[in-house]
Amino acid sequence: GEEVAQTPKHLVRGEGQKAKLYCAPIKGHSYVFWYQQVLKNEFKFLISFQNENVFDETGMPKERFSAKCLPNSPCSLEIQATKLEDSAVYFCASSLTQGGKAFFGQGTRLTVV
Amino acid sequence: DAKTTQPPSMDCAEGRAANLPCNHSTISGNEYVYWYRQIHSQGPQYIIHGLKNNETNEMASLIITEDRKSSTLILPHATLRDTAVYYCIVRVWEGSNFGNEKLTFGTGTRLTIIP
Repeated sequence: GEEVAQTPKHLVRGEGQKAKLYCAPIKGHSYVFWYQQVLKNEFKFLISFQNENVFDETGMPKERFSAKCLPNSPCSLEIQATKLEDSAVYFCASSLTQGGKAFFGQGTRLTVV
Repeated sequence: DAKTTQPPSMDCAEGRAANLPCNHSTISGNEYVYWYRQIHSQGPQYIIHGLKNNETNEMASLIITEDRKSSTLILPHATLRDTAVYYCIVRVWEGSNFGNEKLTFGTGTRLTIIP
C-alpha cells in the first residue's frame, strides 16, 4: 500500500495484560521504526528494523517490550504485562533503503487502566 | 545526533509567511536538517530536508545559514491547516544506508495560524 497502516487505532488494556500492536509498512520500504509518544510533544525511539532484522534496539525497554518484522506479515510490537506508564500513542514509520523520508502511520493509542 | 533548539510556540496570520527558526549550533558535517510536523495527534508528516543549500518543495522552503548552525523553515502562505507542531531534527548520514537512521525529535514549535 501507499501508506503505513497501523492497527488497532485504539487499545485498552488492564494493568498486567498483554498488548499487541501491528504495522504494515509501505510496500517496498526496507526500514521500519517504532516510536512512543507519551506526552503530546515527546517522541521516544524504540526500535528499528532492516527488513526482518533488528537494526537498532537502543530504545527498547528490554524486559516487557518485544518487536518483530517477519516476511509477508505486518510488523508487530508486543508489550507483556502492561503498566500504567505504557499508556501512549505508538507510531510506526517506514522508509526506503536510501531514502531520506520516513513515512508515519496514524498511530495506535494504548490506554492501560 | 546534534541537539536542536526551537521556540515553544509561534503565531502567524493566515495568508502570511510563517518563518520557523531552529538552532543546531553543534551540527556535524555529515548531519542533515529535517523538518516534520504533527497536525493534531496524527502521525508526523515529512516536510523538507537539506544539507547546506537552500531547498524548496511544494510545501515549504528551507534556508540554512552558511555556517549551518541554524535554519529557518518558511511556509510561504500559511493556512489554517498548517496549525501543527513543527519539529526540526538533525539526522546523520552514514554511508549508503541513509534511510535506516532514526529521527530524534525535540519538543518542537507549536505554530498557530490565526484567521
